[in-house]
Amino acid sequence: KQEVTQIPAALSVPEGENLVLNCSFTDSAIYNLQWFRQDPGKGLTSLLLIQSSQREQTSGRLNASLDKSSGRSTLYIAASQPGDSATYLCAVPFSGGYNKLIFGAGTRLAVHP
Amino acid sequence: GAVVSQHPSRVICKSGTSVKIECRSLDFQATTMFWYRQFPKQSLMLMATSNEGSKATYEQGVEKDKFLINHASLTLSTLTVTSAHPEDSSFYICSAQPTSGSDTQYFGPGTRLTVL
Repeated sequence: KQEVTQIPAALSVPEGENLVLNCSFTDSAIYNLQWFRQDPGKGLTSLLLIQSSQREQTSGRLNASLDKSSGRSTLYIAASQPGDSATYLCAVPFSGGYNKLIFGAGTRLAVHP
Repeated sequence: GAVVSQHPSRVICKSGTSVKIECRSLDFQATTMFWYRQFPKQSLMLMATSNEGSKATYEQGVEKDKFLINHASLTLSTLTVTSAHPEDSSFYICSAQPTSGSDTQYFGPGTRLTVL
């Protein structure tokens, strides 16, 4: 059974720091991995999707890497800003069902001025 | 593009009543939609997969007679919480996957249900 774990659960940093958020999964036979952002009381915004054949994806100040063999992904946020404050979730498809997603518990990020 | 809406955004109801939540894909067609539930400070848990024109597929532990799902068109899925109780209070989020074959799911803004 696939399980997704995110570390740390919460993070508070001053503006400008570079951050690394971690995601691990138990079944390495994944189709892809996604990182999402969730603001309080809101839905999810997709940040990055990495296919199983890819090792990383970049979008602006965000870079996500994927190491399937070790069951790990990291989300790197460069030069953090207060507007980055949110919960970041990673998700992988259910084993055998690439449309259904299993989410980690998330990392709650607070970037203070 | 690729916008998903949910209605209502918030609903408060009395215990024992039923509540319907709508999920619409506004600018694309979605053969498949997904319903998730999120309790405070917890992650999203998949409840069911909604398939246009056929019965929904429920995850283990989710009561299909309590959470009725109807996917009557390629742009609309509804979740009805029947005989709601306080423990059903949660944040319900839907997502829609474009029929075009994209891997990306687009999520709605969520519906906050409070059962008194």
